Amino acid sequence: DSGVTQTPKHLITATGQRVTLRCSPRSGDLSVYWYQQSLDQGLQFLIQYYNGEERAKGNILERFSAQQFPDLHSELNLSSLELGDSALYFCASSEGGDTQYFGPGTRLTVL
Amino acid sequence: SQQGEEDPQALSIQEGENATMNCSYKTSINNLQWYRQNSGRGLVHLILIRSNEREKHSGRLRVTLDTSKKSSSLLITASRAADTASYFCATDPGGTSYGKLTFGQGTILTVHP
Repeated sequence: DSGVTQTPKHLITATGQRVTLRCSPRSGDLSVYWYQQSLDQGLQFLIQYYNGEERAKGNILERFSAQQFPDLHSELNLSSLELGDSALYFCASSEGGDTQYFGPGTRLTVL
Repeated sequence: SQQGEEDPQALSIQEGENATMNCSYKTSINNLQWYRQNSGRGLVHLILIRSNEREKHSGRLRVTLDTSKKSSSLLITASRAADTASYFCATDPGGTSYGKLTFGQGTILTVHP
């Protein structure tokens, strides 16, 4: 158990819908990272937050957005969902060092 | 896009044998990390090697890094059935992109009891 929690574990929704994925980092970790894992694209970095502020952006679609709240939990919002958005979404956290601790992921299925 | 390429894509061995996985990358790095993933579950951090290090050990794991060849290898000695998983290398470019990991495609390791 990494100490990073993600909810929900599974999410099934329809095209065009909007969903919110939630992540609670390890106690004391200020950095939160979001990654997407799909069969065709592999594991891709989406976005990083540090203590509430956006720190780095990867190949995140404009339909996706994220934020980190004062209690350090983070949410990833995915809107206007397409079939190709079906993937595993991981959150990771770190205390500012090199090692990132990954949560169990949320499996999103878009029908 | 994937920076790392891992080789082999799949590896099948018997318990007790050693497993070696290789990773190549394209751009300069601050550090390189190896992660394990069991069957679509979360990634588990195994080991980190910094750009100024050449070799690192952790238990049955040995990692090497050759920055001149932009490559790394992960050796698992005396493998066990429980080592069956996918293994990914991830590079951290450092600087303004510190923490922005780029993962390879992974090696699927199967250890037969």
